[in-house]
Amino acid sequence: DVKVTQSSRYLVKRTGEKVFLECVQDMDHENMFWYRQDPGLGLRLIYFSYDVKMKEKGDIPEGYSVSREKKERFSLILESASTNQTSMYLCASSFGTGDTDTQYFGPGTRLTVL
Amino acid sequence: AQSVAQPEDQVNVAEGNPLTVKCTYSVSGNPYLFWYVQYPNRGLQFLLKYITGDNLVKGSYGFEAEFNKSQTSFHLKKPSALVSDSALYFCAVRDMANAGKSTFGDGTTLTVKP
Repeated sequence: DVKVTQSSRYLVKRTGEKVFLECVQDMDHENMFWYRQDPGLGLRLIYFSYDVKMKEKGDIPEGYSVSREKKERFSLILESASTNQTSMYLCASSFGTGDTDTQYFGPGTRLTVL
Repeated sequence: AQSVAQPEDQVNVAEGNPLTVKCTYSVSGNPYLFWYVQYPNRGLQFLLKYITGDNLVKGSYGFEAEFNKSQTSFHLKKPSALVSDSALYFCAVRDMANAGKSTFGDGTTLTVKP
């Protein structure tokens, strides 16, 4: 089975702090994604990556950056956390470049910014 | 641009009754359609997908969905609901012309009562 793990289930940070959210997948997937999930807004794509060291902006990239130095690891960075970034963050991965690929999700990180 | 709508925030059914969770979509080309489920305190899990071929797609846990091109719909169905089906359900669409990016609906909370 595909396993996608996220470094923390719950995280509390203060406004202005730099925050790192880590995601690791163990199935040699090419694609990795970061979403945020907010009630009534569904999942919104922040960034995604097709390969090591490459990244593409999603629908809401402002205030975020990403890093993919190794194929299995995709990090989401909040350079200066703000209260409106309090949310559930979900990482996902998929196998290849085919449009039919199923995404496999991690358990999520619930981030609270005070 | 691609979009997906889940018109019902909440669906309530009695155990043993059939259930339907609605999804409509908009894409410029051919759609790839997905259903995911999120159980409480867990990440999203893949249920089923439509890529091409038979309009009736069968997935995990006894769920199925019917692709209707004329109505641009992809409703999720199950003949007999279980209390354990209670969860948050997301429909997602991917346009062949927008490779790599899926758009998710806002989610529908299904509650099955004994």
